[in-house]
Amino acid sequence: QLQLQESGPGLVKPSETLSLMCTVSGGSISTGSYYWGWIRQPPGKGLEWIGAIYNSGSTYYNSSLKSRVIISVDTSNNQISLEVSSVTAADTAVYYCARHVGSAYSYGIYDHIYFYMDVWGVGTTVTVSS
Amino acid sequence: EIVLTQSPRTVSLSPGERATLSCRASQSVSSRYLAWYQQRPGQAPRLLIHAASNRATGVPDRFSGSGSDTDFTLTISRLEPEDFAVYYCQQYGGSPLTFGGGTKVEIK
Repeated sequence: QLQLQESGPGLVKPSETLSLMCTVSGGSISTGSYYWGWIRQPPGKGLEWIGAIYNSGSTYYNSSLKSRVIISVDTSNNQISLEVSSVTAADTAVYYCARHVGSAYSYGIYDHIYFYMDVWGVGTTVTVSS
Repeated sequence: EIVLTQSPRTVSLSPGERATLSCRASQSVSSRYLAWYQQRPGQAPRLLIHAASNRATGVPDRFSGSGSDTDFTLTISRLEPEDFAVYYCQQYGGSPLTFGGGTKVEIK
C-alpha cells in the first residue's frame, strides 16, 4: 500500500527557509507516469497547490509562489523535498505531499498543468514565528 | 486563474438524508477536469471523484459527481455518520491548479 510521510521542523523563524521532506513507501517514485508534489492548508482555511516534480526532475510550480519555492527529487531514497524561502506568518500551514495524476507541459512561457491528487500524506504542521 | 466557488458554505443534514454540494467555476473547466475531495477533522484530504464523475478506487457508490463547463455537483445519496466532513472541489483544466473554499456537511 502506497504511503507518503512528511517530515521537518515544526517551527521556522520569519525570513528563514522552510525545508520539508516527503518519504514514499510501498511504491517507487521512479515507476509509473506520476508526479509528486506539495499542497498546503493554513489554519482553518482551504487548500493551496504549491508545485510538483517528476522523477526526471521536471518541475511545475504555482506562479504565486514560484519565486520562493524549490521542489527536488531523490529517487535513490524515494523522497521529494520542499524549500520555501523568506517565510512569513502567511506561510504557517499544514503541508501535505501527494501523488499527482495527470500530465503537464510547457509551451513558450506558459505551463499547462493537469493534475489531481490521489494519494496524500498525513501532513505536517509548520508554524512561522520568532 | 480559475476561481471555484462552493455553496453552501455549511449544510446541516441528518444521517440518511441526501446532500447536494455545488462548485461553480469562474470560467469553463476544460475536459471536465474537476475533482472532489473529502476532509475529515484532523485528517488529510481524500480523493472521491475525478474527471467530474469518476469515482476513485474504494469510494462508495452513494457518492456521485456530475456537471460540466462551469457548474459541477457532488451528491451523497444517503448520508452515513462518517460522511460528515468538509468537501473541496479542485479544477485541473487550467493553471494554476485551484481549489474551492469548501462545504462543511454537519449533523443536524
